[in-house]
Amino acid sequence: AQSVSQHNHHVILSEAASLELGCNYSYGGTVNLFWYVQYPGQHLQLLLKYFSGDPLVKGIKGFEAEFIKSKFSFNLRKPSVQWSDTAEYFCAVNAGGNKLVFGAGTILRVKS
Amino acid sequence: GAVVSQHPSWVICKSGTSVKIECRSLDFQATTMFWYRQFPKQSLMLMATSNEGSKATYEQGVEKDKFLINHASLTLSTLTVTSAHPEDSSFYICSARVRSGGAYNEQFFGPGTRLTVL
Repeated sequence: AQSVSQHNHHVILSEAASLELGCNYSYGGTVNLFWYVQYPGQHLQLLLKYFSGDPLVKGIKGFEAEFIKSKFSFNLRKPSVQWSDTAEYFCAVNAGGNKLVFGAGTILRVKS
Repeated sequence: GAVVSQHPSWVICKSGTSVKIECRSLDFQATTMFWYRQFPKQSLMLMATSNEGSKATYEQGVEKDKFLINHASLTLSTLTVTSAHPEDSSFYICSARVRSGGAYNEQFFGPGTRLTVL
């Protein structure tokens, strides 16, 4: 069965620090990978997605993620975080039939 | 565009009663809607996939008689928690898939419904 592992449940950073959130998946076939963000009190929003092609994917709000097939990883990065990036971040994989399997989430708190 | 709403946003009910949660796609037609459950400090777990006009497909371990799903139109799906018990207390989230061609269509998520069963 497909599974998604996110390495850190809580991350605390100061503004302007660089961010990298780890995500590893377990799936033997062709994968579609996603990062979602959930700001406090809001619904899940798509940050970025990878289907094929360039393994470095650019998303909204300055986020990017790199698909490394050999490591089964899809880590999320941002060079300089802002206080407004405080949110919970979820990595997800398309398990076929448009079903998404989510990781446990990483709560990011950015100190101003 | 691509807004999904849920109603109610929170509900408290007595044990043994039934609760209905609505999921609506406000500005698009959704052939497929998904229902998720999220426990505190845990991830979203897919409960069922709901296709308009047909029976829902439930994930392993989800009781279909407990969680009744109806997808009567392209913009509305409902989840009814029947004979609710305290262990059903959770955060229920729906998502809707845009109706279009292609191998994968993006899902748009609702804001969730917090259910508390006393």
